[in-house]
Order: sequence, then C-alpha cells, then structure tokens
Amino acid sequence: HSALTQPASVSGSPGQSITISCSGTSTDVGNYNLVSWYQQHPGKAPKHMIYEGTKRPSGVSNRFSGSKSGNTASLTISGLQPEDEADYYCCSYAGSNTWVFGGGTKVTVL
Amino acid sequence: EVQLVESGGGLVRPGGSLRLSCAASGFTFSGYSMNWVRQAPGKGLEWLSYISISSTSIYYADSVKGRFTISRDNVKNSLYLQMNSLRDEDTAMYYCATNPTLAVVAWGQGTLVTVSS
Repeated sequence: HSALTQPASVSGSPGQSITISCSGTSTDVGNYNLVSWYQQHPGKAPKHMIYEGTKRPSGVSNRFSGSKSGNTASLTISGLQPEDEADYYCCSYAGSNTWVFGGGTKVTVL
Repeated sequence: EVQLVESGGGLVRPGGSLRLSCAASGFTFSGYSMNWVRQAPGKGLEWLSYISISSTSIYYADSVKGRFTISRDNVKNSLYLQMNSLRDEDTAMYYCATNPTLAVVAWGQGTLVTVSS
C-alpha cells in the first residue's frame, strides 16, 4: 500500500475552520471504516484525535471532527486556536493486519 | 496509567544490528496485539510491523521484510524489534503502539535509531 495522500500544508486564522483531506484507495480508506487522525507537535509522540473516521477519544475537543466519503477521509478543525498548530496524520487499516499512514499535513495558525 | 516505554536505540553503522524493546504497563499487555511504527527525521509516520496477542500472526511492511523481526514476551510485558542489515534510511524515531486505528491507542515516546558510518 502506498502512503495516503494529504496536502503538505493548510493554514487558517484563529477562529476559522480548516479541513485536511486524506486520499486513499478502495483497498484501504474506501474499504474500511477504520481511519484515525493523529496530531503531532514537534518532538512529541503522536496524539490520537479521531478513530473510526468520525469518533473522538475521551478528552479530545469537539472542535475536531472527522468524515469520510468514498476513498477520501477528512479532518475538520473548527474555531482554530494557536495550540492547534502541529502536524496531522491520517491512518487507515489496509487489511491483513497492516496499516498505512498519510504523508502528513502541517497546520499553521496565521 | 497506560504506559509504553521504548529503549535500545542508538548509533549503529550500516549493516549493523540493533534490538529495540518496549516495556508496557498499566494495561493487560497480553490482551493486545502490538505494532512498531517509525518516523524518519522531518518525515511522516510509517507502519512497520504487527504481532498478534499470541505471536501466531506477524506482518511486516515491505521496507523491512526479511531484515526486521518482531517478537513479544507476555510474561515480561514486553515487545521487541530485532533490526538487522541496517541502512542509512532506517534512521528514525521508532515507536511501539497498539493497533493505530483502535478506539483507544497507546503510543510510546519513541527511541531514536541513527544509522551512520
């Protein structure tokens, strides 16, 4: 499986909403409702933000929401805040106990 | 508190070997399948390997197949990654983690492997 395709960067002003796309294929994103999103600040381990495409783990702000259409998953951050500036990665189950990550998107808060 | 702590990273020459360990605590390690994920400097995350609860099912990414070996010891609550024939491109932070798309996912803080002559 090739890496999932994400935009290299997305930016927005505080308070705005941004959406990060994650494009896969019918053998990963399109075939399973098992897409997770991770937030990673510099020098830190990834933090789990969304699972099963749309669900938030306990403690994650409801400003973060996920969706999926066909082979593309998306992460929307509403009410953008300075602390949201980080790298974001999507991850999809790809069958046979294998996973594939996206290349990552750098979110900049202007 | 759920905790995964990786160790064993360091500087190794191309062609060399290294064994990473991941110590688990705060949860029933023997009840979870486990994975290794890495991140090269300035790059994205890459899934490397999976091992089932009883070690009966093991999978590898093509980039490490035949060179890396995953194993676990449920008595010692530990996960391992034996890395042989290391290459410059294996330089990365290595993380152990439960399955990345579970509802609750545990990640370690990572251990850095540098392959350089």
